[in-house]
Amino acid sequence: AQTVTQSQPEMSVQEAETVTLSCTYDTSESDYYLFWYKQPPSRQMILVIRQEAYKQQNATENRFSVNFQKAAKSFSLKISDSQLGDAAMYFCAYRSYNTDKLIFGTGTRLQVFP
Amino acid sequence: GAVVSQHPSWVICKSGTSVKIECRSLDFQATTMFWYRQFPKQSLMLMATSNEGSKATYEQGVEKDKFLINHASLTLSTLTVTSAHPEDSSFYICSARNPTGRGETQYFGPGTRLLVL
Repeated sequence: AQTVTQSQPEMSVQEAETVTLSCTYDTSESDYYLFWYKQPPSRQMILVIRQEAYKQQNATENRFSVNFQKAAKSFSLKISDSQLGDAAMYFCAYRSYNTDKLIFGTGTRLQVFP
Repeated sequence: GAVVSQHPSWVICKSGTSVKIECRSLDFQATTMFWYRQFPKQSLMLMATSNEGSKATYEQGVEKDKFLINHASLTLSTLTVTSAHPEDSSFYICSARNPTGRGETQYFGPGTRLLVL
């Protein structure tokens, strides 16, 4: 069975600085998807970024980028130029290519200080 | 695009009553929707997968007679918590997959906070 691990329960960053959130996963599959979701205090889950495992190029979305290391089964999220609105819970998630189920990590709470 | 709504956003009910939560995909047709439960400061736990026109698939440990799911149309899935008890109090979130877009991505509703007294 696949598992997703987020080893950092909490992280903090100063406004305008860069922070990296860690995520590792375990799978025996070669085709899958990885996601980062953000859950602000409103608790609305918002897709931040996605990565297809077959793509070697790391996904980027404006200030958000990932470091996808398939062999190491690592999928970290880098937030550049952090803003106060980035403060939230961040969940890493895995989806097998052949199923619809999302497997979530336990989340990392990110605090942003002015 | 890919907007998912939930209603109600919060509900308080007495123990023993049933509560229905609606999940709608507003700008796409969703053949598959998902229901999650989230306890405070914890991750999302998948309860069941709702398929339009067929029975829902429940995860291990989730009582299907307790949590009734109906996916009667391509834009609506409902979760009914039957004979609710205080331990059912939680945050319930639905999501939907847009098969015509980036089909691998689930889009989430804003959630429903349930408090059973």
